[in-house]
Amino acid sequence: ILNVEQSPQSLHVQEGDSTNFTCSFPSSNFYALHWYRWETAKSPEALFVMTLNGDEKKKGRISATLNTKEGYSYLYIKGSQPEDSATYLCAFKARSNYQLIWGAGTKLIIKP
Amino acid sequence: DSGVTQTPKHLITATGQRVTLRCSPRSGDLSVYWYQQSLDQGLQFLIQYYNGEERAKGNILERFSAQQFPDLHSELNLSSLELGDSALYFCASSVAGTSNNEQFFGPGTRLTVL
Repeated sequence: ILNVEQSPQSLHVQEGDSTNFTCSFPSSNFYALHWYRWETAKSPEALFVMTLNGDEKKKGRISATLNTKEGYSYLYIKGSQPEDSATYLCAFKARSNYQLIWGAGTKLIIKP
Repeated sequence: DSGVTQTPKHLITATGQRVTLRCSPRSGDLSVYWYQQSLDQGLQFLIQYYNGEERAKGNILERFSAQQFPDLHSELNLSSLELGDSALYFCASSVAGTSNNEQFFGPGTRLTVL
């Protein structure tokens, strides 16, 4: 059974601080890793889709790295702002499956 | 605005009833995905269609069915509804069906079963 773990489950960060959290996935049979941001009362929005080991992607203050050999991805947020408060989801795609396997998310709360 | 539309926005119905949720993907997207989010639960993948054909199946109950039409819109049919089916149902679309393309989510349909 394919499993995707995200840690921590929730995180409180002071405004202006930087933070990061983890997505762990099976290291074999890797095809793609997705990150989404899901704000309360809205729909999930894609941040990154990563396919290559060692990939690093950046969008503004948010960046992500990928290690397919050990089966993890980190999401970094630099200089957190209140608008970064959301649940961050990762989703793993194995080569042998069509569907994405979703993690339960990391809920990030930025304290002003 | 992701370009994915879902109707209705809200639906209130009674146990035992049947409802249909509708989704129109972004222009040009061939894949449609259905997800369920119950209270305090994460996203549960239900089913994927690609260009009219079922591509992948997740935790979809036998009481639920879906289809994708030639114009690429999709419908999710929920029958013999139970209280536990109350949830937010999202539709998402992507360009292709290979899941290395990002998914664009609609605003969701909130279903309440009384």
